[in-house]
Amino acid sequence: GESVGLHLPTLSVQEGDNSIINCAYSNSASDYFIWYKQESGKGPQFIIDIRSNMDKRQGQRVTVLLNKTVKHLSLQIAATQPGDSAVYFCAENTISSGDMRFGAGTRLTVKP
Amino acid sequence: SQTIHQWPATLVQPVGSPLSLECTVEGTSNPNLYWYRQAAGRGLQLLFYSVGIGQISSEVPQNLSASRPQDRQFILSSKKLLLSDSGFYLCAWSVWGQGEKLFFGSGTQLSVL
Repeated sequence: GESVGLHLPTLSVQEGDNSIINCAYSNSASDYFIWYKQESGKGPQFIIDIRSNMDKRQGQRVTVLLNKTVKHLSLQIAATQPGDSAVYFCAENTISSGDMRFGAGTRLTVKP
Repeated sequence: SQTIHQWPATLVQPVGSPLSLECTVEGTSNPNLYWYRQAAGRGLQLLFYSVGIGQISSEVPQNLSASRPQDRQFILSSKKLLLSDSGFYLCAWSVWGQGEKLFFGSGTQLSVL
């Protein structure tokens, strides 16, 4: 769901470690989920998506996990690099609807 | 390929002045268009979305309005800006039947002083 009134939670990891960013969604009817990456002063960029008929999807160094039972979504980044430092947003909607709702975002900081 | 243009990149306006931010999309037809606002260090708030020319849905009561005079043009306006209108404004587009994946513009940083 949308939590625009909250300050961003943060996650700090060491370069080379794996990162896990979590997101809880509220609408049990949501059937499509996306992770976005937003670097400072830029618009969000698409990372990876998953439909509700899947529970896992892998991309290049990223994996998204979906647990519909507890309405939880996670993004795993393998071998985190300094260039991964950004704010990460999860988003949900139903494929038939006209708008997408974003989570509050998590700020990932990668320490060299 | 599809591209989205949003301008200006930064804008400083006095309280009470009007506002017009423009967004255009190229390389696609009949896109869904969106305006989001992002306060510093916070999440994305959906302001308006449009599924066609002249069709605008507003998500929250506010000092802003939106218009879609052409298929691939989306404009965010205000007659009199308030201090609370400051923020990072993002335009985005999507296409029906493709999972509503949003593609964002580069944003406009608006400071109302």
